[in-house]
Amino acid sequence: ETGVTQSPTHLIKTRGQQVTLRCSSQSGHNTVSWYQQALGQGPQFIFQYYREEENGRGNFPPRFSGLQFPNYSSELNVNALELDDSALYLCASRGTVIGYTFGSGTRLTVV
Amino acid sequence: AQSVTQLGSHVSVSEGALVLLRCNYSSSVPPYLFWYVQYPNQGLQLLLKYTSAATLVKGINGFEAEFKKSETSFHLTKPSAHMSDAAEYFCAVTLANQAGTALIFGKGTTLSVSS
Repeated sequence: ETGVTQSPTHLIKTRGQQVTLRCSSQSGHNTVSWYQQALGQGPQFIFQYYREEENGRGNFPPRFSGLQFPNYSSELNVNALELDDSALYLCASRGTVIGYTFGSGTRLTVV
Repeated sequence: AQSVTQLGSHVSVSEGALVLLRCNYSSSVPPYLFWYVQYPNQGLQLLLKYTSAATLVKGINGFEAEFKKSETSFHLTKPSAHMSDAAEYFCAVTLANQAGTALIFGKGTTLSVSS
């Protein structure tokens, strides 16, 4: 198992900018989901992809978008960054076994 | 819609004491339930999961949880706390066999362990 890796680990952006966060899932994990974890809160579901198609979305605006690629990597894109977007962003993947494997996250700070 | 409530945002125990972290869920269909642990500046690590097999589930690091449908609960226990158990714990629910549904988390419980 190679686990789930996320990059970068930390990022500082200015309000109004755009950001792309990356995730590399385990081989064979066709489902990837992204979560936002604000300080002191539980993770909040952003969206989920299965075989490169979005098949679930949480209560996040359209400026949060994503992509999943055939090589088990994925991206989270956020446009028009706001101060409240500052959070830990977590990627999680799963295969056929029930349960998600999480990466260590990307800490995004918007100033 | 499903939801999770974790009772007690902060639990403090002494080393060697019983750990009990409470989780109640709400789900209109049979759920899958999970407990995750998060250490500072890290991602989430799966402790254990309930997927409609045995109601008493054993996980890593000596933790276990019991699924009680009548009480809609999935409390996490450990007989004897260790200093290394100090962390943030999250209970999560997802719908069984439903594509497109991901994990819904509680707000978390911070476990402190004193010597």
